[in-house]
Amino acid sequence: DVKVTQSSRYLVKRTGEKVFLECVQDMDHENMFWYRQDPGLGLRLIYFSYDVKMKEKGDIPEGYSVSREKKERFSLILESASTNQTSMYLCASEDYRGPDTQYFGPGTRLTVL
Amino acid sequence: GESVGLHLPTLSVQEGDNSIINCAYSNSASDYFIWYKQESGKGPQFIIDIRSNMDKRQGQRVTVLLNKTVKHLSLQIAATQPGDSAVYFCAENRSFQKLVFGTGTRLLVSP
Repeated sequence: DVKVTQSSRYLVKRTGEKVFLECVQDMDHENMFWYRQDPGLGLRLIYFSYDVKMKEKGDIPEGYSVSREKKERFSLILESASTNQTSMYLCASEDYRGPDTQYFGPGTRLTVL
Repeated sequence: GESVGLHLPTLSVQEGDNSIINCAYSNSASDYFIWYKQESGKGPQFIIDIRSNMDKRQGQRVTVLLNKTVKHLSLQIAATQPGDSAVYFCAENRSFQKLVFGTGTRLLVSP
C-alpha cells in the first residue's frame, strides 16, 4: 500500500511566523502535490512537483512556496503565515506512469492566530 | 466557467440500503474520473476510478457509472454500512497530472 505521511496532524502558529509542512511518501512516486481544503470550496491545488527540484504552481500559489530536495519528500512553506491560511493541508503523491490516481496523507490542520 | 462535482451536500440513508452519490462535470475533454472517500479527520482515500472509454466499473460493494452524454458520474454503494459514513468526492483529470475535485457529498448512515 502507498503510504503518505505528514509531519503534523495539528499545528497552531502566529501571524507572521514561517511555517514548514512536511510530506513523505514511500512508493518512489515522481509526482507530489499540496492542496488546501476549506469548507464549501473542496480541494484546491497549491503547488505540485513532478521531479526532484522541479515545481509547478497550482491554482492558488500566492503566499506559499515549496521545496523538493529528495524524491520522497515535498515541503510546503508559508513564508509569513496569515490568518487566511488557516486550513486543512493535504499532501498527495502519484506514479507518473499512471493511472493518474493520487494518494493522500492524513492532512495537517493549521490554525494561524 | 467550468465546474465539476455539483453535489447535494448531504445524503442520509438507513443501514442496509443502497446509496447513490452523484457528480456532474462540464469538461467533455476529461478522460479519467476518481471517487474518493474522506472520513472525519483523515485524508481522502481512493475508492474507484473509471476512464472515459467505459460506462461502468465495479468494485467491492461499489459501482461507478459514467454517462458522457449528460456529463454525469455516480457512485453506488450496495448495502450501506455505518462505516461508509464519510464525505465522498469525485475528481476529474482535466489536464496533465492535475485533478479537479468537487466539493463533496456527506453520506450519513443511520442504524
